[in-house]
Amino acid sequence: DTGVSQDPRHKITKRGQNVTFRCDPISEHNRLYWYRQTLGQGPEFLTYFQNEAQLEKSRLLSDRFSAERPKGSFSTLEIQRTEQGDSAMYLCASSSGGWDRVYEQYFGPGTRLTVT
Amino acid sequence: LAKTTQPISMDSYEGQEVNITCSHNNIATNDYITWYQQFPSQGPRFIIQGYKTKVTNEVASLFIPADRKSSTLSLPRVSLSDTAVYYCLVGYGQNFVFGPGTRLSVLP
Repeated sequence: DTGVSQDPRHKITKRGQNVTFRCDPISEHNRLYWYRQTLGQGPEFLTYFQNEAQLEKSRLLSDRFSAERPKGSFSTLEIQRTEQGDSAMYLCASSSGGWDRVYEQYFGPGTRLTVT
Repeated sequence: LAKTTQPISMDSYEGQEVNITCSHNNIATNDYITWYQQFPSQGPRFIIQGYKTKVTNEVASLFIPADRKSSTLSLPRVSLSDTAVYYCLVGYGQNFVFGPGTRLSVLP
């Protein structure tokens, strides 16, 4: 399977714990995006990487959230001191890059986080 | 950032053509318009993308008027398996905004 993969698919944690999610993009894609989706809503943009550089962060991404993409390959999203409001589906997407146009993003299956 | 609106839900019958419109009044010059399909507990799946006029691929068509303030996804001859939520995504560079989604129900 050469699509975007995410791990784990489901995570249940207690309030106050830290969690880390992993995303493996399509290998030839240099752009990687993280979104958050709550039930019944469209995905909300969180952050975006071009290769290993984090180029944009939404104001939704509080200081408890951090994302990395070492070596421009896989990416991790960490949430520290989780809160119940963090419960959501966390989606990762990847795309080709270039400043001449927008390339379609391909999404992974998501990681569903439940904070109890 | 572009703000987008879509109808909350639509019903159709098998074999009919379905048109779903997304309004994006403050779309920026460089923004592209992309449509996605999403089934429960899955990530969005790419359907089609365009910048202006009309784009067609093997599964859908996308119509974008000259002012680009709206776009219409056209699904020909829908089947029961097309029952899903459809999202428009407007953006460029690092700014992307999803619409609220349209829940399409295809009835037999």
